[in-house]
Amino acid sequence: NAGVTQTPKFQVLKTGQSMTLQCAQDMNHEYMSWYRQDPGMGLRLIHYSVGAGITDQGEVPNGYNVSRSTTEDFPLRLLSAAPSQTSVYFCASSYSRQGAGNTIYFGEGSWLTVV
Amino acid sequence: AQTVTQSQPEMSVQEAETVTLSCTYDTSESDYYLFWYKQPPSRQMILVIRQEAYKQQNATENRFSVNFQKAAKSFSLKISDSQLGDAAMYFCAYRRGRANSKLTFGKGITLSVRP
Repeated sequence: NAGVTQTPKFQVLKTGQSMTLQCAQDMNHEYMSWYRQDPGMGLRLIHYSVGAGITDQGEVPNGYNVSRSTTEDFPLRLLSAAPSQTSVYFCASSYSRQGAGNTIYFGEGSWLTVV
Repeated sequence: AQTVTQSQPEMSVQEAETVTLSCTYDTSESDYYLFWYKQPPSRQMILVIRQEAYKQQNATENRFSVNFQKAAKSFSLKISDSQLGDAAMYFCAYRRGRANSKLTFGKGITLSVRP
């Protein structure tokens, strides 16, 4: 059971380049989310999904796109990277069913630097 | 919108002593969960403890306990018998409802443990 897997772990981009951060979970979770963590800011929600084909914006969605074609995968796309998108990105997932505290599982994070 | 406030950016505690980390939140909802996450230098997000808003009893997990004051919207974390391995960033987080992966985080507090 791998849990939530994020790739790549580290990435350096040039301004204007595009890339996709991958997130996959093998727990059949309906809910998945992307967060970014900046110094002194805590984690902030970028986008989230309540199931395949359904996504919505979080607190800081500008500059990012998401799609959810399968239950397992929730990729985050940077269309035209900017230095302000330098951050650590976390993917998280959980069940939609209530019970057992409905644990939220986090990936190990992806470090992105835009130069 | 919900907000989570951690007003102390840093705290320090002597090994084997007790320390309390403060957190306040603001919400108009009645059904929610509160969490404390630990983030060591590896950046892994580790769930420390959770509290269900409808439960009056304060949650406890080994050396970690919370003081949940619902009317005051306060949710502090007490760490007893502090250990060197407790040194980390700690985040307070709020989730509306019982089943989703959308969290609102505080800015975090850096805890250092003196040997």
